[in-house]
Amino acid sequence: NAGVTQTPKFQVLKTGQSMTLQCAQDMNHEYMSWYRQDPGMGLRLIHYSVGAGITDQGEVPNGYNVSRSTTEDFPLRLLSAAPSQTSVYFCASRTHLSSYEQYFGPGTRLTVT
Amino acid sequence: TQLLEQSPQFLSIQEGENLTVYCNSSSVFSSLQWYRQEPGEGPVLLVTVVTGGEVKKLKRLTFQFGDARKDSSLHITAAQPGDTGLYLCAGGRIQGAQKLVFGQGTRLTINP
Repeated sequence: NAGVTQTPKFQVLKTGQSMTLQCAQDMNHEYMSWYRQDPGMGLRLIHYSVGAGITDQGEVPNGYNVSRSTTEDFPLRLLSAAPSQTSVYFCASRTHLSSYEQYFGPGTRLTVT
Repeated sequence: TQLLEQSPQFLSIQEGENLTVYCNSSSVFSSLQWYRQEPGEGPVLLVTVVTGGEVKKLKRLTFQFGDARKDSSLHITAAQPGDTGLYLCAGGRIQGAQKLVFGQGTRLTINP
């Protein structure tokens, strides 16, 4: 049982490049979400999904796309990277909407130059 | 605008001292969670409080949810170097509980 896994651990992009951050969980959790963490800002919700085929926007969705074709996987796509997207990205999952216990992945540190 | 304000943002104390971290808001939350995060890792849930006035203890850590469910505190007794880390509070909104709102964090350093 690996929990929530994220790849890559580190990534450097040039402005305008696109890439996908991978997230997978093996706990059969319905609810998954993506956050970004910036110094002094805590974690801010980018997108979330309440089940396969269902996604919705969080606080800071601009510049990011998500899809949820399976229960296990929830990739985050950066369409055209900008320096403002330099951050640490965390994927998280929980059993269902009413469950409080949220499990986080180890994070992806992204730098956009 | 930060919906949840944590204070202090940085705290450095000696081993054995007591400390309190605060998490305040003008909004009412359905639940309040506290996480601890180590460098290079994701946050790990410590506790969830859901009832106004609720107090929970986890060894030397005491968590309290305010009566009006707008604020919370984390008190650590006899701090140890292993308590060092970033402490985050997160509130579940009354409407849209799937969207947790995080405070900006308190970076705690316990010096031996």
